[in-house]
Amino acid sequence: DGGITQSPKYLFRKEGQNVTLSCEQNLNHDAMYWYRQDPGQGLRLIYYSQIVNDFQKGDIAEGYSVSREKKESFPLTVTSAQKNPTAFYLCASSIGNRDRSEKLFFGSGTQLSVL
Amino acid sequence: QKEVEQDPGPLSVPEGAIVSLNCTYSNSAFQYFMWYRQYSRKGPELLMYTYSSGNKEDGRFTAQVDKSSKYISLFIRDSQPSDSATYLCAMKVSGGGKLIFGQGTELSVKP
Repeated sequence: DGGITQSPKYLFRKEGQNVTLSCEQNLNHDAMYWYRQDPGQGLRLIYYSQIVNDFQKGDIAEGYSVSREKKESFPLTVTSAQKNPTAFYLCASSIGNRDRSEKLFFGSGTQLSVL
Repeated sequence: QKEVEQDPGPLSVPEGAIVSLNCTYSNSAFQYFMWYRQYSRKGPELLMYTYSSGNKEDGRFTAQVDKSSKYISLFIRDSQPSDSATYLCAMKVSGGGKLIFGQGTELSVKP
């Protein structure tokens, strides 16, 4: 089945620790995205990548880092600089053509909590 | 002022009711309008997609776009308990740019 796989489903971070959230897709999509979801705030864009080895900051990139070494993979690292990391993190992908990039396909999310 | 405003609810209705979910927006350049449905602790899934103005119907769901009022709606007829979810509106300008999401409306359909 084609889709987007996020892991782990739940993740706990200790203070001062970096953690990495995995996102893999087999949809052959060029574009991939990371969103953060907090209660009552909708989805906020952290980073996005339209092509391998290239990515751009979204609205709330501070305290996060990404890489895009392979088309299928777009891992997100939550660094110790992110002081309020507790949230539901969603990875998404789209075909990538800029006039068709509005149709996003989402993974099942990772809930990150601080110990 | 946020670019997209959506009443967060929660909205509770009895089974069989007609549900109206709404979003307003400020950017007149938006051309693509979408509704995503998100079940609890899951990723959103695309429910309805509309380009520019007009109506679109898919089964029990109807999406309306009124660009003159900068207002979009999603109607659910004969609502079912399985429709209980958070509904997110989203919109985008043509030719690039990012997708802008509303805050989401939590809907509960009681049997």
